[in-house]
Amino acid sequence: GNSVTQMEGPVTLSEEAFLTINCTYTATGYPSLFWYVQYPGEGLQLLLKATKADDKGSNKGFEATYRKETTSFHLEKGSVQVSDSAVYFCALSRDQAGTALIFGKGTTLSVSS
Amino acid sequence: DADVTQTPRNRITKTGKRIMLECSQTKGHDRMYWYRQDPGLGLQLIYYSFDVKDINKGEISDGYSVSRQAQAKFSLSLESAIPNQTALYFCATSDNKGGSYNEQFFGPGTRLTVL
Repeated sequence: GNSVTQMEGPVTLSEEAFLTINCTYTATGYPSLFWYVQYPGEGLQLLLKATKADDKGSNKGFEATYRKETTSFHLEKGSVQVSDSAVYFCALSRDQAGTALIFGKGTTLSVSS
Repeated sequence: DADVTQTPRNRITKTGKRIMLECSQTKGHDRMYWYRQDPGLGLQLIYYSFDVKDINKGEISDGYSVSRQAQAKFSLSLESAIPNQTALYFCATSDNKGGSYNEQFFGPGTRLTVL
């Protein structure tokens, strides 16, 4: 079945540092890939998505590229801010019917000024 | 107003009690989901519904039941709560495009504590 593995946290960075959060997946077929973000005390919000190989999703300075050859969807940001402190989840479609999403365990990012 | 709302936001109950968590949405989506979040485990799917007459179990449905009262409402029940059901519960919705594209929209969550 489909599954997602993302790097464990917490990740602690200083403001303006470069961020990478690794995500790899196992899937049959061609799932869509997502990054969700959860700010403290809130629900999950979609950060970015990619629906086919080589697609690059981007939003709010974050980017991730759907790499079929390495089965990866790493999240990157060139210069993090304190306001980026949150939990980040990588996710993919559960199956081809799109019944639900499979989430990674989440990576906590803490950015200090 | 929020598109996906959950009530209550926080609940403390005792072992053996029946409890219902409610979810409402104004997005007009056909699909609704219930997830459970535990620290370090990510989100796990409890139940999902593609329309009022279509209810399906997720990976961890044991001890839970659901009711889809209308397109906009999807309730999760714990018939006899136990302490290991203490968790953060999220409702989510998506449209019916299906296929491999399945963006979901989440409610703010309900924090449930079972003593």
